[in-house]
Amino acid sequence: AQSVTQLGSHVSVSEGALVLLRCNYSSSVPPYLFWYVQYPNQGLQLLLKYTSAATLVKGINGFEAEFKKSETSFHLTKPSAHMSDAAEYFCAVTVSGAQKLVFGQGTRLTINP
Amino acid sequence: ETGVTQSPTHLIKTRGQQVTLRCSSQSGHNTVSWYQQALGQGPQFIFQYYREEENGRGNFPPRFSGLQFPNYSSELNVNALELDDSALYLCASSLAGVGETQYFGPGTRLLVL
Repeated sequence: AQSVTQLGSHVSVSEGALVLLRCNYSSSVPPYLFWYVQYPNQGLQLLLKYTSAATLVKGINGFEAEFKKSETSFHLTKPSAHMSDAAEYFCAVTVSGAQKLVFGQGTRLTINP
Repeated sequence: ETGVTQSPTHLIKTRGQQVTLRCSSQSGHNTVSWYQQALGQGPQFIFQYYREEENGRGNFPPRFSGLQFPNYSSELNVNALELDDSALYLCASSLAGVGETQYFGPGTRLLVL
């Protein structure tokens, strides 16, 4: 069975600082990995996804993530945080033959002015 | 291109009642998945529908049931509501296939009193 662990339920950074949100996955077969963002009282919006084409994946709003098989990680980064990045971020995994996305518990990102 | 829509946006029910939530999938998508997101948690997979048939189910009791219609829209029905059913219910549509992205609607927030 697949699982996702997001380290840090709450991350706070200053505007302009590096954003790093951590995600580790568990899967016995090659995974497909996703990062979604959820703004207050809204659904989930796809930021980016990994499907084995390239280990460094670029997404929307300046975010990117790197797939590291040896570390079973898929951390999300952004070089310079904006106030508009404040939201809840979810990492999710699925595998071939599975119907469902398995989500982590989420990381709430706060941006300090 | 129309995105995923859900209705109603909010709903208040009392324990023991029944509820029906509705979802219209994104144009061209033939697969619909439903998730339950409790407050402060990541979404949990309820079930998926493909070609009007249930195509996978999470760890939810039979009082959670669904339908998919020929136009690929879907309903989630919950009978004998319990207080713990209070949550945001998210619908996601996608194409069928390995690693396909699931696109989420804004959700229906259900409160059970």
